[in-house]
Amino acid sequence: GAGVSQSPRYKVTKRGQDVALRCDPISGHVSLYWYRQALGQGPEFLTYFNYEAQQDKSGLPNDRFSAERPEGSISTLTIQRTEQRDSAMYRCASRGPSSYEQYFGPGTRLTVT
Amino acid sequence: QKEVEQDPGPLSVPEGAIVSLNCTYSNSAFQYFMWYRQYSRKGPELLMYTYSSGNKEDGRFTAQVDKSSKYISLFIRDSQPSDSATYLCAMSIFGNEKLTFGTGTRLTIIP
Repeated sequence: GAGVSQSPRYKVTKRGQDVALRCDPISGHVSLYWYRQALGQGPEFLTYFNYEAQQDKSGLPNDRFSAERPEGSISTLTIQRTEQRDSAMYRCASRGPSSYEQYFGPGTRLTVT
Repeated sequence: QKEVEQDPGPLSVPEGAIVSLNCTYSNSAFQYFMWYRQYSRKGPELLMYTYSSGNKEDGRFTAQVDKSSKYISLFIRDSQPSDSATYLCAMSIFGNEKLTFGTGTRLTIIP
């Protein structure tokens, strides 16, 4: 079946612009996670949802970052007033209800110029 | 100090060798331990999953957890060129929430 999909795969934006990154989880997966991965580093947790409820947003760096999952399926991570330090790979993962495995998507490479 | 420490490598070994990858951690509340494999330009994929202390074997792969030492290992026997990837350790407290990852170790198996 289809895996986790993310769009866009690449995003180049100018400093100060807002960006919205989309994640489409595996069908039936109730949990959805957002991570950020810098080059040569492991993924760093940002936030996660069970269904539409945001369970933990402790990893969001500051209030420019927000996420939503209004219908418990697709999620959007929004970064307002982007800064160069926001440049990274943003990865989404989803997990089924009876498994501990998180399935990762291909990521969105964000470059802020 | 990071919660999870992992030697970033790179590590190069000849084909057929036994590979040992390790992580240490500081948070004694971690109970679920995982190893993810990440090929270049791809997302991480779960390789092994272990709950609490002990060993788990799956084919050529063995995961070990020593909670008393806060130390986990992944062993790869009869290493193959297709094993060349970055290996990430990850852990969580309850298993169903956020994962805390190590830096990842870049492994190359030389034919």
